[in-house]
Amino acid sequence: DTGVSQDPRHKITKRGQNVTFRCDPISEHNRLYWYRQTLGQGPEFLTYFQNEAQLEKSRLLSDRFSAERPKGSFSTLEIQRTEQGDSAMYLCASVLPMQGVGDYGYTFGSGTRLTVV
Amino acid sequence: SQQGEEDPQALSIQEGENATMNCSYKTSINNLQWYRQNSGRGLVHLILIRSNEREKHSGRLRVTLDTSKKSSSLLITASRAADTASYFCATDDPRSGYSTLTFGKGTMLLVSP
Repeated sequence: DTGVSQDPRHKITKRGQNVTFRCDPISEHNRLYWYRQTLGQGPEFLTYFQNEAQLEKSRLLSDRFSAERPKGSFSTLEIQRTEQGDSAMYLCASVLPMQGVGDYGYTFGSGTRLTVV
Repeated sequence: SQQGEEDPQALSIQEGENATMNCSYKTSINNLQWYRQNSGRGLVHLILIRSNEREKHSGRLRVTLDTSKKSSSLLITASRAADTASYFCATDDPRSGYSTLTFGKGTMLLVSP
């Protein structure tokens, strides 16, 4: 499989529990993004990695959220003490910048749908 | 916050008809992209148009960009039932060095056989 893989596809958790999601980007893509999408809305940016460095974080990423990308390969997104408002689709995307400034398109994974009950 | 706003929010057409979706945005951009999302799935990149381009074609897709009006349109010609999906425009922010995209709320397209 040469696409972006996300695991798990679905996660149901009780409020207050911790959850961790995994993203495996396309191997030669050095840029990795996490987005969150709620029902009826477009994806909202959470955080960005270039190789192993986390270079940008949204204000949406509260201190309960943490993301890592060890060795610049797969990435994990952890949510601690989940709240019902965390229920959403969590999308991962990777990018291989092509020639030219900003000449690229994201490749998205199928997402992890989180339901906090 | 959402940068782009798509219009209409929902569009229902018959197979064979053309579908036009519009996107407006607020700030300057390097490029504007369109994505498709089937229900419950990830987004698929359709087409990218740079800020110095006015029109671009890809198969049955035609995208226009008017930077003076900060707007873009996506035309799908000869629509098929398989085109049923949500369509999002996304813009990058030249102020960010990391090519972060900001998405609109999307247009839900329903193509009936």
